Amino acid sequence: NAGVTQTPKFQVLKTGQSMTLQCAQDMNHEYMSWYRQDPGMGLRLIHYSVGAGITDQGEVPNGYNVSRSTTEDFPLRLLSAAPSQTSVYFCASSSLKGKLFFGSGTQLSVL
Amino acid sequence: QKEVEQDPGPLSVPEGAIVSLNCTYSNSAFQYFMWYRQYSRKGPELLMYTYSSGNKEDGRFTAQVDKSSKYISLFIRDSQPSDSATYLCAMRDSGAGSYQLTFGKGTKLSVIP
Repeated sequence: NAGVTQTPKFQVLKTGQSMTLQCAQDMNHEYMSWYRQDPGMGLRLIHYSVGAGITDQGEVPNGYNVSRSTTEDFPLRLLSAAPSQTSVYFCASSSLKGKLFFGSGTQLSVL
Repeated sequence: QKEVEQDPGPLSVPEGAIVSLNCTYSNSAFQYFMWYRQYSRKGPELLMYTYSSGNKEDGRFTAQVDKSSKYISLFIRDSQPSDSATYLCAMRDSGAGSYQLTFGKGTKLSVIP
């Protein structure tokens, strides 16, 4: 049972580069979300989706884009990477009003 | 005032000790309460899940919710070095569209052999 799978695990970017963080879940969950985790800041919600074709902004959406074309996949795009986006990123999913399950994370450094 | 307050620690205890981790919150609409454990360089994993007030026990772990005081606790009995991790509390209301969790910032626990 794979659960929530994130790729890549590590990534180094230069300022201004773009990239996509991949997230897939095999639990048929309606709800998917992206968080970033920074020291002293806790988990902060970037974007979320309650189903295919439906996305919405979280607490810190600027500089990020998402789409949800299928129930399984919820990629996060960094449009033009900035050093302030250096962080650990987690994808998570749940059934509606259910328990939230996290992926193993992507450690991103922007130089 | 933040919605969820959690002492960041760090908290260091000897092996075998009873550990008490706590969170306070301000939103009286919260009905679902969770504790997540996060090992270094790993994703948070769900440890305990409770609804409304009361206690829930799972092995060495007990989750306690006191809605009248807006206070939740996680107790770890006979703590082990493998319990060394950051513990995050999380909560959610039961209203329509209530998918999102509000997290505490986490308490870092070290259990010393």
